[in-house]
Amino acid sequence: GEDVEQSLFLSVREGDSSVINCTYTDSSSTYLYWYKQEPGAGLQLLTYIFSNMDMKQDQRLTVLLNKKDKHLSLRIADTQTGDSAIYFCAERYNYGGSQGNLIFGKGTKLSVKP
Amino acid sequence: KAGVTQTPRYLIKTRGQQVTLSCSPISGHRSVSWYQQTPGQGLQFLFEYFSETQRNKGNFPGRFSGRQFSNSRSEMNVSTLELGDSALYLCASRGRARYEQYFGPGTRLTVT
Repeated sequence: GEDVEQSLFLSVREGDSSVINCTYTDSSSTYLYWYKQEPGAGLQLLTYIFSNMDMKQDQRLTVLLNKKDKHLSLRIADTQTGDSAIYFCAERYNYGGSQGNLIFGKGTKLSVKP
Repeated sequence: KAGVTQTPRYLIKTRGQQVTLSCSPISGHRSVSWYQQTPGQGLQFLFEYFSETQRNKGNFPGRFSGRQFSNSRSEMNVSTLELGDSALYLCASRGRARYEQYFGPGTRLTVT
């Protein structure tokens, strides 16, 4: 069935770049997403990429998509302590040809050390 | 624009009771989805409503139900609560740009 996998933890130093990786299984996914969740909060949509794109850049965020390998990554440049959170990768499951629900990974906990 | 709002934010119930959670989508958004988040299972899709019709449903027992009103506000109901229903319940809305999905802060349900 559909599955999204991510590593569970990542620790970086403030000012370094962070790279969070994700693999997915549904080759018909149209959109892939990155969400951020801070403690006690809901999910914040960070960015998304359409499946016919290879890369998308949005300020400090760069998303890379390798559709052949079904691999998605999120790079955060100049990581700050405020970036410490859990980052979720998600694919939009195609349900009967229409855009269905999101399938989420378990989340990567990013810890940023000063 | 105001974001997705959910009420209540926190709820404590006992086993066997029922609970109703409410979600108001972003103004103009007609699609509302519900997700359950637990430490063990992660984020799992419950159901999606569009124009008062359930369009899609996840793999949850019939104790979980929902509905959507003509103003797009949605409620979900869990009957005969079990300890395992303790979770953060997240609501999300989509508008015309249907690929952009925005989440509310969630309702933290604790079943004792």
